[in-house]
Amino acid sequence: NAGVTQTPKFQVLKTGQSMTLQCAQDMNHNSMYWYRQDPGMGLRLIYYSASEGTTDKGEVPNGYNVSRLNKREFSLRLESAAPSQTSVYFCASKAGGSYNEQFFGPGTRLTVL
Amino acid sequence: QQQVKQSPQSLIVQKGGISIINCAYENTAFDYFPWYQQFPGKGPALLIAIRPDVSEKKEGRFTISFNKSAKQFSLHIMDSQPGDSATYFCAASRRSGSARQLTFGSGTQLTVLP
Repeated sequence: NAGVTQTPKFQVLKTGQSMTLQCAQDMNHNSMYWYRQDPGMGLRLIYYSASEGTTDKGEVPNGYNVSRLNKREFSLRLESAAPSQTSVYFCASKAGGSYNEQFFGPGTRLTVL
Repeated sequence: QQQVKQSPQSLIVQKGGISIINCAYENTAFDYFPWYQQFPGKGPALLIAIRPDVSEKKEGRFTISFNKSAKQFSLHIMDSQPGDSATYFCAASRRSGSARQLTFGSGTQLTVLP
């Protein structure tokens, strides 16, 4: 099992460019999440998907969109990148049940110039 | 607003010493409290977790102490080793619709000196 995979690992964008971060999990988990990690701020939830076909906003959704393509895949799109979106982005997945662990991918380091 | 406050921001201990990281929360809807460990260049990984119906949980050298009335919880690492050097995040979980959300603390960078 690969667990949670993310592509790309690194990306540099210019202000105003768009891009999609890809995430896939092979654990048959229902829930998937996108976080951003900034120094001194921990991880903040951008969007999540409780199950295939549903998505909801998290704490910091502005400037992002998501698509739950199927049960395995959950993508994050930046339509018009801004320097404030420079961050490390993590995708996570979780099985059903209240107290199950969230499994994290290796992250995508994004720089917006 | 930061719903989970974590301290200290950084911590340096000698090998064999005890590392203590503290967290406090405000939202009483939180009902599950995991700790995550993150090594440089990696994603966070679950270390240990506790439910609020118990006051302490121990797994090997790692112990969570939980004080429900004070809305505080802490991670104790006994006999700290250089391999424990990492960033530690406390988190609090609550139900949100049909899913559960994690709110993370700001992280503690632990360095264990050999």
